[in-house]
Amino acid sequence: EPEVTQTPSHQVTQMGQEVILRCVPISNHLYFYWYRQILGQKVEFLVSFYNNEISEKSEIFDDQFSVERPDGSNFTLKIRSTKLEDSAMYFCASSESRFERGYTGELFFGEGSRLTVL
Amino acid sequence: QKEVEQNSGPLSVPEGAIASLNCTYSDRGSQSFFWYRQYSGKSPELIMFIYSNGDKEDGRFTAQLNKASQYVSLLIRDSQPSDSATYLCAVKVINDMRFGAGTRLTVKP
Repeated sequence: EPEVTQTPSHQVTQMGQEVILRCVPISNHLYFYWYRQILGQKVEFLVSFYNNEISEKSEIFDDQFSVERPDGSNFTLKIRSTKLEDSAMYFCASSESRFERGYTGELFFGEGSRLTVL
Repeated sequence: QKEVEQNSGPLSVPEGAIASLNCTYSDRGSQSFFWYRQYSGKSPELIMFIYSNGDKEDGRFTAQLNKASQYVSLLIRDSQPSDSATYLCAVKVINDMRFGAGTRLTVKP
């Protein structure tokens, strides 16, 4: 069964360093997302991406963050100058299409990348 | 504001009982509604979606939607210990899906 894959599964970094989290969405999916979940807290929306541009972003997704689809398969989240509070699980997700009748609009999640900032 | 509210729980039910999980949302433009289950340390996995008012049944699960009241619920019949997890309500508006904080369910044998 097709799945969303994420790397690395766990990354430890020093405060102030740059981090790139990578995702390979399901191949026929058109919409891509990043979410984060701080330990014990809710799943928070960061950004959605379609047609090589950001379609929506949350207030969390400030200038420290950027996303890119550098080739036909990868979707990356870059965090510049990491802070302690960036420590979280970061989930990539993809969906087949914009919500339309007959489609669920379901998001398929990767297993997550745990980021620890020291 | 696109708020999705859930009781955080924990909700504890005995094995075989019905578990009832509730969710309210603030954006009247919301189009579709999802229930995800999340085990500790794992990613969310879809249980059900609903986009029309009324009930939708899938096995032991029934989702209920009332758009006028901006309310979604999930009933789990014949609850099993393996149902113990955090249940996330998610609401989608066009291309933006927002999650509630989740309700932690424990099913006791």
